[in-house]
Amino acid sequence: SYELTQPPSVSVSPGQTARITCSGDALPKKYGYWYLQKSGQAPVMVIYEDRKRPSGIPERFSGSKSGTMATLTISGAQVEDEGDYYCYSMDNSGYPVGAFGGGTKLTVL
Amino acid sequence: QVQLVQSGSELKTPGASVKISCKTSGYTFTNHALNWVRQAPGQGLEWMGWININTENPIYAQDFTGRFVFSLDISVSTAYLEISSLRTEDTAVYYCARGMGLYNYGDFDSWGQGTLVTVSS
Repeated sequence: SYELTQPPSVSVSPGQTARITCSGDALPKKYGYWYLQKSGQAPVMVIYEDRKRPSGIPERFSGSKSGTMATLTISGAQVEDEGDYYCYSMDNSGYPVGAFGGGTKLTVL
Repeated sequence: QVQLVQSGSELKTPGASVKISCKTSGYTFTNHALNWVRQAPGQGLEWMGWININTENPIYAQDFTGRFVFSLDISVSTAYLEISSLRTEDTAVYYCARGMGLYNYGDFDSWGQGTLVTVSS
């Protein structure tokens, strides 16, 4: 089955830039999506189609992609940005299936 | 506004079945895919699959074939997830999530609050 690889954890101080990566073989041809799950809550989409921000998501969240790696960047991370971040993409099977990455715990302190 | 409201927590014994509902409102039900996601305690998100609302055709991720069934009642804008032959390892929070369009691309723009299913003897 398709796998997306994320670092288990990232830690930054408030105001610093946090970067979370997601690696997967299908990413050169498939969009990457990013979700934030805060403790005890349902996930929320923060980036779709590699780099688009849903309404209501702060401008400090941005997405990019190069080859097999997608990157979520939080410029000037805030304490409220802490949580688990998951990437998602479809696989290359031609069938409409995909997978989440294993998740990255972002700590801002 | 778009809402996905899931049924309440369930406590089941191994071997039993459970059916979770996801009642939607605030949008045209037939214009959006409906996905299911599992999260075991302390673990990450697992995409289980999705259902095409127009064709009612379910598509399951590889690890969720056989005991898992997605269904719909379009008349009440509600999706269902049924799990049979429950195992202790099925203990998890199950989420429904709306896709932005008719087909699944991974664009889950609205989520239910989650339903905790506990399987224990």
